[in-house]
Amino acid sequence: DQQVKQNSPSLSVQEGRISILNCDYTNSMFDYFLWYKKYPAEGPTFLISISSIKDKNEDGRFTVFLNKSAKHLSLHIVPSQPGDSAVYFCAASEGGGSNYKLTFGKGTLLTVNP
Amino acid sequence: DAGITQSPRHKVTETGTPVTLRCHQTENHRYMYWYRQDPGHGLRLIHYSYGVKDTDKGEVSDGYSVSRSKTEDFLLTLESATSSQTSVYFCASRPAGTGETQYFGPGTRLLVL
Repeated sequence: DQQVKQNSPSLSVQEGRISILNCDYTNSMFDYFLWYKKYPAEGPTFLISISSIKDKNEDGRFTVFLNKSAKHLSLHIVPSQPGDSAVYFCAASEGGGSNYKLTFGKGTLLTVNP
Repeated sequence: DAGITQSPRHKVTETGTPVTLRCHQTENHRYMYWYRQDPGHGLRLIHYSYGVKDTDKGEVSDGYSVSRSKTEDFLLTLESATSSQTSVYFCASRPAGTGETQYFGPGTRLLVL
């Protein structure tokens, strides 16, 4: 039973264009959502997050959108750069009551071509 | 980034032997987590800790145990390693409070022959 789904294993975009990574969830108790970025042979690094009380959060080139009714979130990267090439994981949390445990999707490999 | 280290970074062991992986954080974070990453599965939670001597199971805890005797250290033990436990193991820590995030260590690559 996969509670967080990233249905696209990979995505390829041209440098300068927009990258859109998608994530769906099934657990209506999730109230905090995060995106992590992972380079090979390194640990995941936090990228951006959004609380369920918001529908958008922006940080520089990265914007996360949350559609609670559809149980869907997306990460937009504009403009995409070759250094953005990495695996992106979507994660969700039920908050303090769950000891802030995260449930991760399987990840999407983003390749940004020069 | 939080100061989280893992040791060893790489290990090769044989089936049936016990293995202990160490996670050390210097941020005084209350919460600590152990994950494994496998192709096609993303990151899956093995065990976690919500305080010294307070631990609980994650979704893939069979064959693993943990201990946390100090805030800064979280140990993961494979009691009797099996080939299915060949994986990359990540430790993470997190401060208490809403709106915080988990910070990950660099990972330990374990091969069980």
